[in-house]
Amino acid sequence: NAGVTQTPKFQVLKTGQSMTLQCAQDMNHEYMSWYRQDPGMGLRLIHYSVGAGITDQGEVPNGYNVSRSTTEDFPLRLLSAAPSQTSVYFCASSYSRDGDSPLHFGNGTRLTVT
Amino acid sequence: AQTVTQSQPEMSVQEAETVTLSCTYDTSENNYYLFWYKQPPSRQMILVIRQEAYKQQNATENRFSVNFQKAAKSFSLKISDSQLGDTAMYFCASFFYGGSQGNLIFGKGTKLSVKP
Repeated sequence: NAGVTQTPKFQVLKTGQSMTLQCAQDMNHEYMSWYRQDPGMGLRLIHYSVGAGITDQGEVPNGYNVSRSTTEDFPLRLLSAAPSQTSVYFCASSYSRDGDSPLHFGNGTRLTVT
Repeated sequence: AQTVTQSQPEMSVQEAETVTLSCTYDTSENNYYLFWYKQPPSRQMILVIRQEAYKQQNATENRFSVNFQKAAKSFSLKISDSQLGDTAMYFCASFFYGGSQGNLIFGKGTKLSVKP
């Protein structure tokens, strides 16, 4: 049982490059989300999805795109990386969008933009 | 806006002693959930304990317990018999229903160091 799998674990980009952070879960969870973690800022919600074909913005969505074509996958796209996007990114999933349904986190991706 | 505040950026405790981490939140909702997550140096996010707002009894998980004061909007975490493995970042988080919420909101975290 793999849970939530994020790839890659580390990535270095140059300003202006694009890339996709991958997130997959094998628990048949409907709810998936992306957070970024910065020192002294906690975790902030970027985008989330309540099911295949449905996505919405969180607190800090600018510079990021998402799509949810399947229940299992929820990739996060950086179209033109900026140094301000240097962060640790976490994908998380839960059975439903409900406080009674605990979030399962991936192990994170550390992204550095130079 | 609904917020979660952790006022202690860093704390330290001697091994085997007890430490309390503070968390306050702001909401007009009556039904919500509160959580404490632990993030060790491995970066993994681990759920420590969960409290449902409509339950008056404080949640307990082994050495971890909470002091939930609903009227004061306070949700502190007590770690008893601290162990070296408790060294980690601790995040308080909340899930509020209603409006544009319905997602987990995190505080900024408290870095706990357990000293031998």
